[in-house]
Amino acid sequence: SQQGEEDPQALSIQEGENATMNCSYKTSINNLQWYRQNSGRGLVHLILIRSNEREKHSGRLRVTLDTSKKSSSLLITASRAADTASYFCATDGPNFGNEKLTFGTGTRLTIIP
Amino acid sequence: DTGVSQNPRHKITKRGQNVTFRCDPISEHNRLYWYRQTLGQGPEFLTYFQNEAQLEKSRLLSDRFSAERPKGSFSTLEIQRTEQGDSAMYLCALRSGASGNTIYFGEGSWLTVV
Repeated sequence: SQQGEEDPQALSIQEGENATMNCSYKTSINNLQWYRQNSGRGLVHLILIRSNEREKHSGRLRVTLDTSKKSSSLLITASRAADTASYFCATDGPNFGNEKLTFGTGTRLTIIP
Repeated sequence: DTGVSQNPRHKITKRGQNVTFRCDPISEHNRLYWYRQTLGQGPEFLTYFQNEAQLEKSRLLSDRFSAERPKGSFSTLEIQRTEQGDSAMYLCALRSGASGNTIYFGEGSWLTVV
């Protein structure tokens, strides 16, 4: 079963608007990573946030992590047409040395020019 | 550039045939992973290697699947007697980053079994 669940499953917004995607997970984690995937392509790593961190920024991306709620959010500001893709969260843990990432089903983001 | 090269990028095969995918890390990485992704789903873990040792295998990896990593560099994933349910993208990944926690994926190999 999937550890993470992204919400919403699909999101369409106008170019220039902000996009927010959420991820919930079930067990405790060591790290949570967000990935982008364009149709038919591999996954591009966006950002990693550790379980002891609450917020991270990278360019137009802002990720928050709330371990008490077992949830994370990805905010993309000033969206562009090139941001159209599927976005996945992935967790590892709960034990140190747990090597596999567990993914959610993703959010399909469409940016309308 | 993710540092991971996968070949072939696309493969169409008839049911019952064997297929092999290859993953080439551009530089040395001691941990290498295989994932499978079907349409509309997130990737699912298949197996991972630390150097040449295969340390964990998912229940998804039936006895028709075999993965190897001779010499701890490139890796191959072979599927014998393919079935239509094997149609998916097979992704190779490496653990890297300053803290060693980031997982980087290749472009994947698409398999279509007809």
